[in-house]
Amino acid sequence: KAGVTQTPRYLIKTRGQQVTLSCSPISGHRSVSWYQQTPGQGLQFLFEYFSETQRNKGNFPGRFSGRQFSNSRSEMNVSTLELGDSALYLCASRVGEDTQYFGPGTRLTVL
Amino acid sequence: GQQLNQSPQSMFIQEGEDVSMNCTSSSIFNTWLWYKQEPGEGPVLLIALYKAGELTSNGRLTAQFGITRKDSFLNISASIPSDVGIYFCAGQKDSNYQLIWGAGTKLIIKP
Repeated sequence: KAGVTQTPRYLIKTRGQQVTLSCSPISGHRSVSWYQQTPGQGLQFLFEYFSETQRNKGNFPGRFSGRQFSNSRSEMNVSTLELGDSALYLCASRVGEDTQYFGPGTRLTVL
Repeated sequence: GQQLNQSPQSMFIQEGEDVSMNCTSSSIFNTWLWYKQEPGEGPVLLIALYKAGELTSNGRLTAQFGITRKDSFLNISASIPSDVGIYFCAGQKDSNYQLIWGAGTKLIIKP
């Protein structure tokens, strides 16, 4: 069974731009969570989607948004990028109450 | 956001040595998870713990769910070069809540 895939793997943007990241969960997984990872900060939870509905949300500004499609694929959008948004963005999927399985991440660099 | 207290932050060890790391929290968790992350990849689940006092092994790795449900420990015996990476603990109050993460323990093996 294929794992969680994320595209693109690397992205360079400039301040003020917006960006959309994509995540395809493991087949059959309906829950998708997004995390931001910066050096020394561990993983910070952004939001979780289940059956196209946002189920949980972390403490991030409204510039960070997401959505989930009927096929469980999810996108994350960051508007008006800031230098501090440079990070590895990780997507994880799970089925039911099972543990989360992570994708390789998208490394976003904001110049 | 909320974070678990994970220590040590980094470890420099000789090949063949045993490794110990731990996570503590002021809150009670019903699930403790240990992940490993290698460069350019997302975290991979190593061990999941679901019951206070539980001791679970996965090869040379052993993890314990603290009896107070506020801490967890991970031990690696006879370390080898492929053990290098960042180890993260994560706690979950129940399946409807997002994971809370430690900041990670970076394991480096001295040549």
